[in-house]
Amino acid sequence: AQSVAQPEDQVNVAEGNPLTVKCTYSVSGNPYLFWYVQYPNRGLQFLLKYITGDNLVKGSYGFEAEFNKSQTSFHLKKPSALVSDSALYFCAVRDLGSSNTGKLIFGQGTTLQVKP
Amino acid sequence: NAGVTQTPKFQVLKTGQSMTLQCAQDMNHNSMYWYRQDPGMGLRLIYYSASEGTTDKGEVPNGYNVSRLNKREFSLRLESAAPSQTSVYFCASGGQSFYGEQFFGPGTRLTVL
Repeated sequence: AQSVAQPEDQVNVAEGNPLTVKCTYSVSGNPYLFWYVQYPNRGLQFLLKYITGDNLVKGSYGFEAEFNKSQTSFHLKKPSALVSDSALYFCAVRDLGSSNTGKLIFGQGTTLQVKP
Repeated sequence: NAGVTQTPKFQVLKTGQSMTLQCAQDMNHNSMYWYRQDPGMGLRLIYYSASEGTTDKGEVPNGYNVSRLNKREFSLRLESAAPSQTSVYFCASGGQSFYGEQFFGPGTRLTVL
């Protein structure tokens, strides 16, 4: 069965420092991986995705993610955090067992707090 | 383009009451989804519709029904609301291909007393 795990409920980082939000996955075939961000009282916004190719994926708002097949990880990163990056972040993997329905399996979410 | 829209934004129900959450998308997507979000549990899929005219159960379908009215609209109905259905409900569309992301609506915050 496919699954995705976000091992940290919360990540705290000082403004200007680099940030990493961790995600690991388990799939039975090629992984298709996504990151979303949710600001308070808002819906989820798509940040970036890994389909194939370059292991470093660049996305919106200066975020990037590194795909590591041997470690089955897809960590979200940003070189210099902003206070406005404070939000809830979700990692998701495409459900490969669901044919052509586009279903995603989401992690439990990681709250990122960036302090001034 | 409005993207994915949901109504209402907030709702308070008493146990046993019924209601329908509405969702519409203007991106011509075939697939639509209903999720619920609860603290510490991420997003859980309630029902989805891979194409107009089809619906399927997700991870937590009990207590809910859905209707794919046309390609644009996908509604979620609670026939007899229970306090356990207090949650934030999100509709999403898209993602039908292996590579496609989903686009989310702003959510409906439902409280069942």
